[in-house]
Amino acid sequence: DAGVIQSPRHEVTEMGQEVTLRCKPISGHDYLFWYRQTMMRGLELLIYFNNNVPIDDSGMPEDRFSAKMPNASFSTLKIQPSEPRDSAVYFCASSLSAGGSSGNNEQFFGPGTRLTVL
Amino acid sequence: AQSVSQHNHHVILSEAASLELGCNYSYGGTVNLFWYVQYPGQHLQLLLKYFSGDPLVKGIKGFEAEFIKSKFSFNLRKPSVQWSDTAEYFCAVNAPGRRALTFGSGTRLQVQP
Repeated sequence: DAGVIQSPRHEVTEMGQEVTLRCKPISGHDYLFWYRQTMMRGLELLIYFNNNVPIDDSGMPEDRFSAKMPNASFSTLKIQPSEPRDSAVYFCASSLSAGGSSGNNEQFFGPGTRLTVL
Repeated sequence: AQSVSQHNHHVILSEAASLELGCNYSYGGTVNLFWYVQYPGQHLQLLLKYFSGDPLVKGIKGFEAEFIKSKFSFNLRKPSVQWSDTAEYFCAVNAPGRRALTFGSGTRLQVQP
């Protein structure tokens, strides 16, 4: 398996522009997570989906951020309009539920998208 | 709300030295605990996890961690580090039924040859 795939790997854009980050989870995984990593705040959860349905979006910083999962193999995180403070590495992760609710299943992370907003 | 504290932000060791990275969590109930590693320029990879049973957990690459419930701790250890262990290490926790992970701030380990 190719693992979690993210694109682009690097994105440089100007303030005010729309940015779309993409993620393809591992085939068969039914949970998908978006995390953001910054020097100031570390790794923090933005949103996660189960079976393509958003479950918890409490980490989404503001209305400029939106995430979708139109099908089991694709998700997008969109920032519109982007701001310099959005500069960070955005990670997508996926996991497989084991039929229980223990939550102890490993999350597999993608390589991340390094976003720079000028 | 759950939180994770990693008090060592940057650790520098020589090869063959022993390693212990601290991790404390704040949560009153049962938790699942994880250590992830991020090698330079790479994505996060799972080192080990604990969810029940033997509190001493062995992971990949010679790492182990011990869950001490009374101390709310899950410290990572390795008896003898190698230069290739240079990376950033993240402790993470989730409560059963909550899939998302709460991460610590990370510890950057630098191993000098």
